[in-house]
Amino acid sequence: GQQLNQSPQSMFIQEGEDVSMNCTSSSIFNTWLWYKQDPGEGPVLLIALYKAGELTSNGRLTAQFGITRKDSFLNISASIPSDVGIYFCAPYNNNDMRFGAGTRLTVKP
Amino acid sequence: EAGVAQSPRYKIIEKRQSVAFWCNPISGHATLYWYQQILGQGPKLLIQFQNNGVVDDSQLPKDRFSAERLKGVDSTLKIQPAKLEDSAVYLCASSLGLAFSTDTQYFGPGTRLTVL
Repeated sequence: GQQLNQSPQSMFIQEGEDVSMNCTSSSIFNTWLWYKQDPGEGPVLLIALYKAGELTSNGRLTAQFGITRKDSFLNISASIPSDVGIYFCAPYNNNDMRFGAGTRLTVKP
Repeated sequence: EAGVAQSPRYKIIEKRQSVAFWCNPISGHATLYWYQQILGQGPKLLIQFQNNGVVDDSQLPKDRFSAERLKGVDSTLKIQPAKLEDSAVYLCASSLGLAFSTDTQYFGPGTRLTVL
């Protein structure tokens, strides 16, 4: 079956540091989405990527859709305390959306 | 604009009991999704509706889970009877476009179910 690996599983960083997380898949996807989930809430869409090689920014967030269509990364620059949460990649193909296991981010002031 | 509403927020039941969750999607959204999120994992799609019809229920354990979206608006998800492994957060999401589109899914806060 399809394999979807998200890493790292968790990160503990100081406020102001940059963060990078990624997902790799055994299958090709046409769309890569990145979500953030705060405690007690549902996931919220951060960035959507629709084309292989695409690099997209949303404020301090930058994400790229890998050229092979099997991977994506998300970078957060100059982290702040409200960046705390769980980040999920969610590749998507024709009505089939999978979620990674998540990267739990802790930011120490 | 009001978001996706879900109730109850928390539910504790004993195994073999029944439970139902309710979801009110964003007004005008054609597609509604139910996900199961087990602790420490990402959400897993259980069932997807377009208006009041089922588009995909391939991951729904149909021996115990059922869902309906009467009149193409609100939806209920039922578990009968519940098992210990059903303990999870049940998330509802909706999107404006029809199924198979890449429209953004908006998630509700979820219902946290604990089965004892």
